[in-house]
Amino acid sequence: DGGITQSPKYLFRKEGQNVTLSCEQNLNHDAMYWYRQDPGQGLRLIYYSQIVNDFQKGDIAEGYSVSREKKESFPLTVTSAQKNPTAFYLCASRFSNTEAFFGQGTRLTVV
Amino acid sequence: AQTVTQSQPEMSVQEAETVTLSCTYDTSESDYYLFWYKQPPSRQMILVIRQEAYKQQNATENRFSVNFQKAAKSFSLKISDSQLGDAAMYFCAYRSKENTDKLIFGTGTRLQVFP
Repeated sequence: DGGITQSPKYLFRKEGQNVTLSCEQNLNHDAMYWYRQDPGQGLRLIYYSQIVNDFQKGDIAEGYSVSREKKESFPLTVTSAQKNPTAFYLCASRFSNTEAFFGQGTRLTVV
Repeated sequence: AQTVTQSQPEMSVQEAETVTLSCTYDTSESDYYLFWYKQPPSRQMILVIRQEAYKQQNATENRFSVNFQKAAKSFSLKISDSQLGDAAMYFCAYRSKENTDKLIFGTGTRLQVFP
């Protein structure tokens, strides 16, 4: 079945560590996005990518990094520079002028 | 920059009744997309309905319809014959046709449905 897969579902990070969240899609979508969701703040855009080997910062990119080496994959690294990384992270993808489809999310907790 | 505002943090409705969720947005663009997404407790984001700004006719999907007022920059969602399964967070979203890959969300409205 086609879809967007985010892994892991739950992730725990020690302070000072970098962690990488995976997002894979087999929908042949061109655009991919990463959002952060905190209570009462909706979804805030971290990074997005329109094509392979190209990506743009969203509204809250500080402390995060991404890569887009393959069309199907858009991993997000939460670096130690992100001071408050505990949140729910959603990945989405979109083809041309269609709506965005979302993965099931990763809950990141700093311990 | 575009912004999306949902001024109702929480709403409630009786089963089988009708409820309207509000959304306003700010943009200087003339052509764009607007969306309503539903996020149930599973946290999976599900598209409810979409509207293209150049289309004057309001979009409808079964029990869900929108009231799109372009001049007022308003995009409300009406849910008719509410069902218990409609209980969820609802997010309004905007996507530019000029900067086609930036999708902006409001802060959401939590809808409770009472039997």
